[in-house]
Amino acid sequence: DTEVTQTPKHLVMGMTNKKSLKCEQHMGHRAMYWYKQKAKKPPELMFVYSYEKLSINESVPSRFSPECPNSSLLNLHLHALQPEDSALYLCASSPSGKGSYNEQFFGPGTRLTVL
Amino acid sequence: ILNVEQSPQSLHVQEGDSTNFTCSFPSSNFYALHWYRWETAKSPEALFVMTLNGDEKKKGRISATLNTKEGYSYLYIKGSQPEDSATYLCAFRGNDYKLSFGAGTTVTVRA
Repeated sequence: DTEVTQTPKHLVMGMTNKKSLKCEQHMGHRAMYWYKQKAKKPPELMFVYSYEKLSINESVPSRFSPECPNSSLLNLHLHALQPEDSALYLCASSPSGKGSYNEQFFGPGTRLTVL
Repeated sequence: ILNVEQSPQSLHVQEGDSTNFTCSFPSSNFYALHWYRWETAKSPEALFVMTLNGDEKKKGRISATLNTKEGYSYLYIKGSQPEDSATYLCAFRGNDYKLSFGAGTTVTVRA
């Protein structure tokens, strides 16, 4: 299995809602990533987990809360989002984090709309 | 914020024609340069990881070159086919091991 899966594909939420994005991989990768992409812009790194520990937080607002329950799963909990948080959220995984040239394998993304 | 630029933003190619486009990146603290191909509604797919100055990589009709001293990489598509229509992203990996992406070049191949 060489896939990274993300659910849901689309999500519409109000500013007072709490929702979660899920990401899963079964390639034995030990690094997992969340990226945010706005239209016509580059994907921007949000968080990196390495061996199930948060290793990078790119100064992301606390209304985004990542969680890595085990080496195959990565969640992004959303609470009190703003309309400007509407974007495509991409998950990726790689065999390890630092110190190697390893590729990142991406999921198809969750398209989030905040009303 | 690292400056990774891709040009052009988009291009249209006639089927059978060849094309190329550019990724420019910082020439300092270079670790690797990644190329991805991203079709609409699918996952970005890794094409190449390039690490050495002068590297050339090839995958079918797609190839890439790397110049780390001047900070650019070219991606070439030979004999474009409709299935080559996609957005091609480059990503610079520096000594901090994080990927900084360009905004992509969107290629549309007309039959």
